[in-house]
Amino acid sequence: QQQVKQSPQSLIVQKGGISIINCAYENTAFDYFPWYQQFPGKGPALLIAIRPDVSEKKEGRFTISFNKSAKQFSLHIMDSQPGDSATYFCAASPTLDSNYQLIWGAGTKLIIKP
Amino acid sequence: EPEVTQTPSHQVTQMGQEVILRCVPISNHLYFYWYRQILGQKVEFLVSFYNNEISEKSEIFDDQFSVERPDGSNFTLKIRSTKLEDSAMYFCASRRVSPGTGTGELFFGEGSRLTVL
Repeated sequence: QQQVKQSPQSLIVQKGGISIINCAYENTAFDYFPWYQQFPGKGPALLIAIRPDVSEKKEGRFTISFNKSAKQFSLHIMDSQPGDSATYFCAASPTLDSNYQLIWGAGTKLIIKP
Repeated sequence: EPEVTQTPSHQVTQMGQEVILRCVPISNHLYFYWYRQILGQKVEFLVSFYNNEISEKSEIFDDQFSVERPDGSNFTLKIRSTKLEDSAMYFCASRRVSPGTGTGELFFGEGSRLTVL
């Protein structure tokens, strides 16, 4: 019940296309869902995050779609650019727990082809 | 921009040796974390630390591991008697809790790569 399942494992998208990464969770206590971007040799960096009181959040080219009833959330990268090539991790946490133990998905290696 | 700094960036050690990984969290942050990422795998939570004590730890964080905040700035992870399977990237993170919401962005360091031979 503590798992966050992420797919696909890897994704190749043409420049300018839409990249979509999906995640699913089971624990209904989760109420904070961040996405992290990680470049090789670097630590994960917060990209965008959502709380379940909204169904969508957009920041620039990045959008999180959230489906509370299905317990799924996804990251959409519009107009994907080669600089977006990185590994993306979804995560989940029960924020009422101030220890904020993030449960991570397995990651998606995204390659944007020029 | 404030950042979490970690040292060393890479450490190679012999099996059975002790290693200490160091982190300097962002100065006004109150919560500190260690995560581990085995090459090509997911990031795994190890431990959280608040108010000078461990607040939560995962099953990975057994007696082999310990954390300490020896002074007002450093946060260390000690791994005793290292094993081959301890080879991983270890990330330190820190967070400042936003008043009233309980949330706050987690800032990660660039990681310390540990190679156990």
